[in-house]
Amino acid sequence: GQQVMQIPQYQHVQEGEDFTTYCNSSTTLSNIQWYKQRPGGHPVFLIQLVKSGEVKKQKRLTFQFGEAKKNSSLHITATQTTDVGTYFCAGPPNSGYALNFGKGTSLLVTP
Amino acid sequence: ETGVTQTPRHLVMGMTNKKSLKCEQHLGHNAMYWYKQSAKKPLELMFVYNFKEQTENNSVPSRFSPECPNSSHLFLHLHTLQPEDSALYLCASSRIVLNTGELFFGEGSRLTVL
Repeated sequence: GQQVMQIPQYQHVQEGEDFTTYCNSSTTLSNIQWYKQRPGGHPVFLIQLVKSGEVKKQKRLTFQFGEAKKNSSLHITATQTTDVGTYFCAGPPNSGYALNFGKGTSLLVTP
Repeated sequence: ETGVTQTPRHLVMGMTNKKSLKCEQHLGHNAMYWYKQSAKKPLELMFVYNFKEQTENNSVPSRFSPECPNSSHLFLHLHTLQPEDSALYLCASSRIVLNTGELFFGEGSRLTVL
């Protein structure tokens, strides 16, 4: 079945550095969603991208959906300690209703 | 407060025990889900319910038995579990059961099977 692959699995940055996580699918996605899970917490929805080449920004976070709708990225500018957590991308399956989640990228930010 | 409440938050059980996890959503949604989250694995979908009807069972072993009495409540009945079933069990809801639109997760039930 369709899977979404995320890289890197882990990223450790100094506060103030930038961070990017990438999500790739073997098939074209109708949409892609991003979630953040803080340590000890639960996934929280960040954004959904639908259009080819779409770019959306939320303060220091920039989300992109590839032109072929097979990949996506999340870029954080000037990371802060509050950005610590695991970032998941999720795409719809080839059949059925529920989202397929990537393994996530765990971000650690040290002051 | 997420609008999706799960109880208990932590559960320790032996392999011969029977227990249940409960999920309640206060968002007026029509679809509810059970996900399993283990270390180093992606979120695994277990069950999907749409308007109380099960629409997906993702090849889950029969020792996990879901129940959805109405659109606001979802249970996961557990019996004769294995240690490898230890994980965080997350309930989620969405307005409708389509693969677009936001999922709202509960805080999860951390299960340990001894």
